[in-house]
Amino acid sequence: DVKVTQSSRYLVKRTGEKVFLECVQDMDHENMFWYRQDPGLGLRLIYFSYDVKMKEKGDIPEGYSVSREKKERFSLILESASTNQTSMYLCASSPGVSGTDEQFFGPGTRLTVL
Amino acid sequence: AQSVTQLGSHVSVSEGALVLLRCNYSSSVPPYLFWYVQYPNQGLQLLLKYTTGATLVKGINGFEAEFKKSETSFHLTKPSAHMSDAAEYFCAVSEGNAGNMLTFGGGTRLMVKP
Repeated sequence: DVKVTQSSRYLVKRTGEKVFLECVQDMDHENMFWYRQDPGLGLRLIYFSYDVKMKEKGDIPEGYSVSREKKERFSLILESASTNQTSMYLCASSPGVSGTDEQFFGPGTRLTVL
Repeated sequence: AQSVTQLGSHVSVSEGALVLLRCNYSSSVPPYLFWYVQYPNQGLQLLLKYTTGATLVKGINGFEAEFKKSETSFHLTKPSAHMSDAAEYFCAVSEGNAGNMLTFGGGTRLMVKP
């Protein structure tokens, strides 16, 4: 089974802190994604990566950056956390073979910024 | 640009009743369509997807969905609801690009009454 793991289930940070959210997948997938999930808005894509060291902005990249130094790991970075970044963050991966590929999701990190 | 609308952020049914969750999409190219389910405190998992071919797609846990191009719809149904079906359901569309990006609807929370 594909497994996508995220470093924390719950995280509480203070405004202005630098925050790292880590995601690891164990199935040698090419594509990895970071979403934020907010009630009524569904999932919105922050960034995605289709190869090591490659990244593309999604729909809401402002205030975020990402890093992919190894194929299995994709990190989301909040350079200076703000209260409007309080949300559920979901990481996903997909094989990258076809545009019809399923995305596999991690359990999510619920981030609270005080 | 593609978009997804899920009519009804909350749907409540009685156990044993028909489940109908609505999804309409807009896409400039023939779309690929997905339904994901999110159980409490978990990530998303794929229920079913439509790529090409038969427009009635069967998924896990007795769910199915029908692609209707003329109505730009991909509604999810299940003949008889079970308590374990209580979850949030997301419809998503992909245009089949190499990056396999998905656009999600706002989600529908399904409640099942005993």
